[in-house]
Amino acid sequence: AQKVTQAQTEISVVEKEDVTLDCVYETRDTTYYLFWYKQPPSGELVFLIRRNSFDEQNEISGRYSWNFQKSTSSFNFTITASQVVDSAVYFCALSPNTGGFKTIFGAGTRLFVKA
Amino acid sequence: GAVVSQHPSWVICKSGTSVKIECRSLDFQATTMFWYRQFPKQSLMLMATSNEGSKATYEQGVEKDKFLINHASLTLSTLTVTSAHPEDSSFYICSASRQFEELFFGEGSRLTVL
Repeated sequence: AQKVTQAQTEISVVEKEDVTLDCVYETRDTTYYLFWYKQPPSGELVFLIRRNSFDEQNEISGRYSWNFQKSTSSFNFTITASQVVDSAVYFCALSPNTGGFKTIFGAGTRLFVKA
Repeated sequence: GAVVSQHPSWVICKSGTSVKIECRSLDFQATTMFWYRQFPKQSLMLMATSNEGSKATYEQGVEKDKFLINHASLTLSTLTVTSAHPEDSSFYICSASRQFEELFFGEGSRLTVL
């Protein structure tokens, strides 16, 4: 079965705190892609990162960083020094090779960053 | 970069009418597009895979006669909600991809059926 689990439904932090959003996935495919998307209150989906299953290098982009660990099927997302503008729903997603890379989304984690 | 555009962004219609939502890939050819539905405070659920020049593939539980999908060209897919009812009110999002690249999402279309 293909599945994405985001166990944290809501997280509330104070500005400048670091926060990690967890993502655990299930797939039997050896080739797949993992994504993180941000959905601000306005509703549009903003692409943050794509990682393919053969690339386990962690990535840092400004205040954002991602930790991909195949051994635990996790793809966690950390925001350093959070800001109010980071408040949004964050979705982790999986595109397995089976099915033509159609994407399966986790339930999302709603992040509130208070000033 | 690649852009996917959806139109309209907002639509309000009366119960019983049909509504068409367009999804265009603006600077690349998309042989496959996907349609998702999102209920308030919920995740995105895949409704169907739209294949250029052939019939769409619907996910289990999605009524193909209610949600008509047409992918007439490599840059355009349309979703028509037929005989819309209030329970069809939702946020509909399309996406398209070039193979092995990230999905590009449209802005989404919010449908309200009165």
